[in-house]
Amino acid sequence: AQSVTQLDSQVPVFEEAPVELRCNYSSSVSVYLFWYVQYPNQGLQLLLKYLSGSTLVKGINGFEAEFNKSQTSFHLRKPSVHISDTAEYFCAVTAFSGGYNKLIFGAGTRLAVHP
Amino acid sequence: NAGVTQTPKFRVLKTGQSMTLLCAQDMNHEYMYWYRQDPGMGLRLIHYSVGEGTTAKGEVPDGYNVSRLKKQNFLLGLESAAPSQTSVYFCAIQMGLALETQYFGPGTRLLVL
Repeated sequence: AQSVTQLDSQVPVFEEAPVELRCNYSSSVSVYLFWYVQYPNQGLQLLLKYLSGSTLVKGINGFEAEFNKSQTSFHLRKPSVHISDTAEYFCAVTAFSGGYNKLIFGAGTRLAVHP
Repeated sequence: NAGVTQTPKFRVLKTGQSMTLLCAQDMNHEYMYWYRQDPGMGLRLIHYSVGEGTTAKGEVPDGYNVSRLKKQNFLLGLESAAPSQTSVYFCAIQMGLALETQYFGPGTRLLVL
C-alpha cells in the first residue's frame, strides 16, 4: 500500500533564506506526486505536480520539487522564502484503486518564515 | 478553487444533531470527493463519487452518509453528530488528462459540542 511521510512537522526559517521540505513515499508502482499549500483558514492550493518526464518540476510562487525514484523522495525547495510563504504544505501521492485515482496525503509540514 | 463551492463555511452543532454539507461544482466533473482534515493527520478520504448516482466509501466513512443525485452536487450528511466529527471538511473534484489532479473547495469548519 502507498504511504507518504513528511519528515518534518515544523520548519522555522528566516526570510530570504532557502528552504527544503522533505517528502518520502512508498509505492510498488509508478505514481503521480503532488505538493499542496494551505494558507491559514483557507483550502488547499496545488503548488506543483510530477506526472512523468523531467524530474525537476517547477510550480507557483517560485517553488520547485525534484522527483528521485531511487530514493522514493519528492522534496520541495525554494531558494529564498518570503513572509507570505508561511503556510502548511502537504505532499501527496496517487494510488490507482478500484477505478479512481486515490490521493494519499502526508501529515503536513508547517513552514514558519520569520523576519 | 476550480469552481468548487462549499456551504456552509462554519457550523456549530450539539452532539446528536444532524446536518448536511453541500459541495457544488459548475464544470461537469464526474469525480468528487469528501475529506476531513485533522491536525497532524493530513487529509483523510471519507466518501467519493465517480458519477451521478454513484457513491463509495473511503478511508473513514463511519458516521457519514453521502448522496450524488445531481452531477453538480455532492452532499455529506451527519445523521447524529459526535464530538469526534469536529473537523474541517473539504470537497474536491478531479481533473487532468489522466484524471490525476484533485482541486479543493474552501472547506467547512464544523464544531460538535
